[in-house]
Amino acid sequence: GDSVTQMEGPVTLSEEAFLTINCTYTATGYPSLFWYVQYPGEGLQLLLKATKADDKGSNKGFEATYRKETTSFHLEKGSVQVSDSAVYFCALSERGGADGLTFGKGTHLIIQP
Amino acid sequence: GAGVSQSPSNKVTEKGKDVELRCDPISGHTALYWYRQSLGQGLEFLIYFQGNSAPDKSGLPSDRFSAERTGGSVSTLTIQRTQQEDSAVYLCASSAERMNTEAFFGQGTRLTVV
Repeated sequence: GDSVTQMEGPVTLSEEAFLTINCTYTATGYPSLFWYVQYPGEGLQLLLKATKADDKGSNKGFEATYRKETTSFHLEKGSVQVSDSAVYFCALSERGGADGLTFGKGTHLIIQP
Repeated sequence: GAGVSQSPSNKVTEKGKDVELRCDPISGHTALYWYRQSLGQGLEFLIYFQGNSAPDKSGLPSDRFSAERTGGSVSTLTIQRTQQEDSAVYLCASSAERMNTEAFFGQGTRLTVV
């Protein structure tokens, strides 16, 4: 079956540091890939997505590129802020949309001033 | 409403009791999903409703779990004869349509079975 593996953390960085959160996946077909973010006390929000190989999703300074050859969708940001502290979830959907999303276990990111 | 609303936000129940969790999706969204987030686990898909079609129940963990969506809007997730392993955060999400679209999540209901 489908699965998503991501570093679990917590990941602690200083403000303005470079961020990478690794995500790899296993799927039988050609899934769409997503990063969701959960800020403290809030619901999950879609951060970015990519629907086919070599697509780059970007939002709020975050980027992730759909790498079919390495089955990866690593999340990156050049300079993190304290307000980026949250739990980040990598996810895939084989059916193209948001139904039947398979999530990773989440990565807790802590940014220190 | 402005977002997906879930109630209650917290629920503590005794083992063996039935519980009902409610989800109000964003107005006009035809697709509605239930997920479960257990401690130390990722989010687990439970059930999916699309318009008036038969729901996709493939993620429900046992026959103690059921869900309804009345009038294509509000949904209720029912857990019968709750067990301690049912303790989790139950998340509801909705989207405007199924394909290639963003799902908006509610803040969840934290269920604790004691």
